[in-house]
Amino acid sequence: QVQLQESGPRLVKPSQTLSLTCNVSGDSISSGNYYWNWIRQPAGKGLEWIGRIYTSGSPDYNPSLESRVTLSLDSSKNQFSLKLTSMTAADTAVYYCAGHPSTDWYSFDYWGRGALVTVSS
Amino acid sequence: EIVMTQSPKFQSVSPKEKVIITCRASRGIGRSLHWYQHKPDQSPKLLIKHTSQPMAGVPSRFSGSGTGTDFTLIINGLETEDAASYFCHQSTSIPHTFGQGTKVEIK
Repeated sequence: QVQLQESGPRLVKPSQTLSLTCNVSGDSISSGNYYWNWIRQPAGKGLEWIGRIYTSGSPDYNPSLESRVTLSLDSSKNQFSLKLTSMTAADTAVYYCAGHPSTDWYSFDYWGRGALVTVSS
Repeated sequence: EIVMTQSPKFQSVSPKEKVIITCRASRGIGRSLHWYQHKPDQSPKLLIKHTSQPMAGVPSRFSGSGTGTDFTLIINGLETEDAASYFCHQSTSIPHTFGQGTKVEIK
């Protein structure tokens, strides 16, 4: 059973960069079994897919955020990370990490508990 | 991007009644449509993948159907533990997109 856990600062100042990490247990992120994703949900709004990263190749990003997002993998720590630059109040949201199989139907089989990130000075 | 239009946004239903939630895609997505249940302070939970395949342990009262652009989640005989938000997700193309969600309340 794969388990995911987000970590990182929950309060970010406007214009700063958000850095979140997702710790993975139950599978090696280098196994190739899953794509590793970030998804967010502002309060009272729907879910927004941020991007995904795989053990090989380049990450895929949502075009709406692509200019500000960087995803990376750290195989030695079995974790993957999100960096989102130039944060504004509109980026206040619950941020989830999630995994979908590399084959099959790309459903998000596994999710972290979520990290509420607030952008405020 | 594929826009997913989900309805209704809110439904208040008595136990044992039937709940129908629909998702419409802005263009055809085959059967690459998945349904999730989300309760407060919990991780979203995958209920049904690929339109109609229930995940292990999901009660049989949950079912999904559809193809192309129109999809349905049915809860046949609502139970109190089903109070939650439900949302759909398409995985046909990048960016992945989601319906706005349906909050199901128990009357």
